[in-house]
Amino acid sequence: AQSVAQPEDQVNVAEGNPLTVKCTYSVSGNPYLFWYVQYPNRGLQFLLKYITGDNLVKGSYGFEAEFNKSQTSFHLKKPSALVSDSALYFCAVRDIESGNTGKLIFGQGTTLQVKP
Amino acid sequence: KAGVTQTPRYLIKTRGQQVTLSCSPISGHRSVSWYQQTPGQGLQFLFEYFSETQRNKGNFPGRFSGRQFSNSRSEMNVSTLELGDSALYLCASTQQGAHGETQYFGPGTRLLVL
Repeated sequence: AQSVAQPEDQVNVAEGNPLTVKCTYSVSGNPYLFWYVQYPNRGLQFLLKYITGDNLVKGSYGFEAEFNKSQTSFHLKKPSALVSDSALYFCAVRDIESGNTGKLIFGQGTTLQVKP
Repeated sequence: KAGVTQTPRYLIKTRGQQVTLSCSPISGHRSVSWYQQTPGQGLQFLFEYFSETQRNKGNFPGRFSGRQFSNSRSEMNVSTLELGDSALYLCASTQQGAHGETQYFGPGTRLLVL
C-alpha cells in the first residue's frame, strides 16, 4: 500500500533561520509528490509538486523541496523562515494504484512554529 | 480565475439529520475530489467525480454520497449524521497540465454534529 509519513508533529524554528519539514513516502513506481500548507480555518494551499525531472523543486512563497529517491524522501525547505510561515504543512502522494488523478494520500501533517 | 468555492462554510446539525455540501471547481476543471479532515484521522479521501461519473471512492460508509453536475459543480450528501461526522470537508478541483495534475482546494465546510 502507498503511504506518506511526516515523522515530526511539530517543528520549531527561529525567524530568519532555515527550516526543514520532513516527509518520506512509500509507493510502487514513480511517485507524484506534493506539499500543501493550511492556515487556521482555511483550506489547503498548494506549495509545490514533484512529478519528474530535477530533484530540487521550487514552489510558492520561497519554499523548495528536495526529492531523494534512494532515501524515499521529499523534505520541504526554506532558507529563511518567516513568522507568517507558521502553519500546518502536509505532504501528499498521488495514489497511483487507483489509476486516476483524483486521490491524494496525505501525511498526518507537521505544525511549523516560527518564533520571532 | 476564481478559486474553488464551497458552501456553506459552517453548518450545525443534529444526529440523524442529513446534510448536503456544495462545491464549485475552478472554471475549466472537470475533476472534483472530496476529503474529510478530522484531528484524529487527518485528511481522508472520500470520492472523486469526473464528467459526472464517480471515478474513485474511499473507505467511507454508504451514508456518504456525492454527485457531479454537467457544469462540474459537485455536491456531497451525508445521511443519518453521527457525532463522528463532525469534520472539515474539503473539496478540490484538478488542473491537468503538461507537468502533471495539481489539486486546488476550497476553504472547506466545517460541519458540527450535535
